Amino acid sequence: ILNVEQSPQSLHVQEGDSTNFTCSFPSSNFYALHWYRWETAKSPEALFVMTLNGDEKKKGRISATLNTKEGYSYLYIKGSQPEDSATYLCARRSPGSNYKLTFGKGTLLTVNP
Amino acid sequence: DAGVIQSPRHEVTEMGQEVTLRCKPISGHDYLFWYRQTMMRGLELLIYFNNNVPIDDSGMPEDRFSAKMPNASFSTLKIQPSEPRDSAVYFCASSQKGLTSGQGWETQYFGPGTRLLVL
Repeated sequence: ILNVEQSPQSLHVQEGDSTNFTCSFPSSNFYALHWYRWETAKSPEALFVMTLNGDEKKKGRISATLNTKEGYSYLYIKGSQPEDSATYLCARRSPGSNYKLTFGKGTLLTVNP
Repeated sequence: DAGVIQSPRHEVTEMGQEVTLRCKPISGHDYLFWYRQTMMRGLELLIYFNNNVPIDDSGMPEDRFSAKMPNASFSTLKIQPSEPRDSAVYFCASSQKGLTSGQGWETQYFGPGTRLLVL
C-alpha cells in the first residue's frame, strides 16, 4: 500500500446497529495514525491519535484499534445513532515530514433512524 | 478559545478573478496548515507554516496559488487567476508543537472551511 486507503467508501446502517470500517496504510516508517470525524458543514474533529502497535482507544461508543505491523486500523461504532452520521477520516504522518499528514478519502457513514 | 477561524465561509467568483482566503489559527499554536478538499482527491495538504515560515509548499498546485503568514495570528491563501477546477472546500488547521515533537502525534484543529465556487 502506497497511500492511506479507507473502506468502504460509504456505508448505510440502521439506528442501533454496530458497524466498523478500515484504514490501511504503509506499515514502514510508521509514527502515528489519526482518526477524524467530519460532519457536513462543520470542521473535521479529532477523535484519536494512535501510536503503538496494539493500541486501543475509546471515546463513548466509538473505539479504534491499531496494527502497525500489517498497516491497518479499525474504527468501531457500537449502537449507531443518527448523530454519528459523518465522514470518518484517517491520516498518518507522511514519510520524510515531521508534521505533514496524509489523509485517506474517508468513509461516509449514514445512520438511518 | 474560538477555535480556528476562516473567512469567508462561502465564495462564488468568476474565472480569472483573484480569490483571497483568510485564516486565524488558535492562539499559541505554532503550526498552520492549508488543505483543499475535493471529491476526486480527498483532503490534500497544500502548504504548512511553522512560526510563520513556510516549511513545505510541495502541495501547492501551481504558481497561481500563493500563501502568506505575516504574523502568528493570520494567514492568507490567494488564487490568482482563479479557474473552475479550483472549486473546492479549503480548510485551515493549526497545531501546537508537542512534547515529543516531530513524531506526527500532534492533533490538528480544523477551521470550518471556505467553500469556493469558480464559475
